[in-house]
Amino acid sequence: NAGVTQTPKFQVLKTGQSMTLQCAQDMNHEYMSWYRQDPGMGLRLIHYSVGAGITDQGEVPNGYNVSRSTTEDFPLRLLSAAPSQTSVYFCASSAGLGNEQFFGPGTRLTVL
Amino acid sequence: AQKVTQAQTEISVVEKEDVTLDCVYETRDTTYYLFWYKQPPSGELVFLIRRNSFDEQNEISGRYSWNFQKSTSSFNFTITASQVVDSAVYFCAPNNYNAGNMLTFGGGTRLMVKP
Repeated sequence: NAGVTQTPKFQVLKTGQSMTLQCAQDMNHEYMSWYRQDPGMGLRLIHYSVGAGITDQGEVPNGYNVSRSTTEDFPLRLLSAAPSQTSVYFCASSAGLGNEQFFGPGTRLTVL
Repeated sequence: AQKVTQAQTEISVVEKEDVTLDCVYETRDTTYYLFWYKQPPSGELVFLIRRNSFDEQNEISGRYSWNFQKSTSSFNFTITASQVVDSAVYFCAPNNYNAGNMLTFGGGTRLMVKP
């Protein structure tokens, strides 16, 4: 049972490049989400999903896309990277309302 | 919109001291859950405790205890007999019904426990 996995661990992009951050969970959780954490701050919700085929925007969705074709996977796409997207990205999953969220180890992204 | 305030940005204590981390939140939800997470220097997020809004009984779990008061929207977290390994950033986070019950995080409190 690997829990929540994220790839890559580190990534450096140039402004304007696109990429996909991968997230997978093996706990059969319906709820999955993406957060970003900027230095010295708490986490902010980017996008979330309450089941396969269902996604919605969080607090800071601009510049990011998501899709949820399977229960296990919830990739986050950066369409055209900007320096303001330099951050640590965490993926999380949970069994639903009231349940704890399990977080992946994070992806540290730098946009030059 | 939800808002979470952790007014203490940094706390420094000496090992074996008790320490309380404060959390005040704003929510329009009538029922909700509150969580505390820990982020050690290695960067991962570790679940600590969960409390639902319709049970104000305070609890103790090992060296951790928490004081939830719905009337003042506060959810404080206490570590008894702190240890160096408790050094971390601690986040308070209620769930947000309008965002798929995902979490709204406070800015965090950095706790430094000195030997």
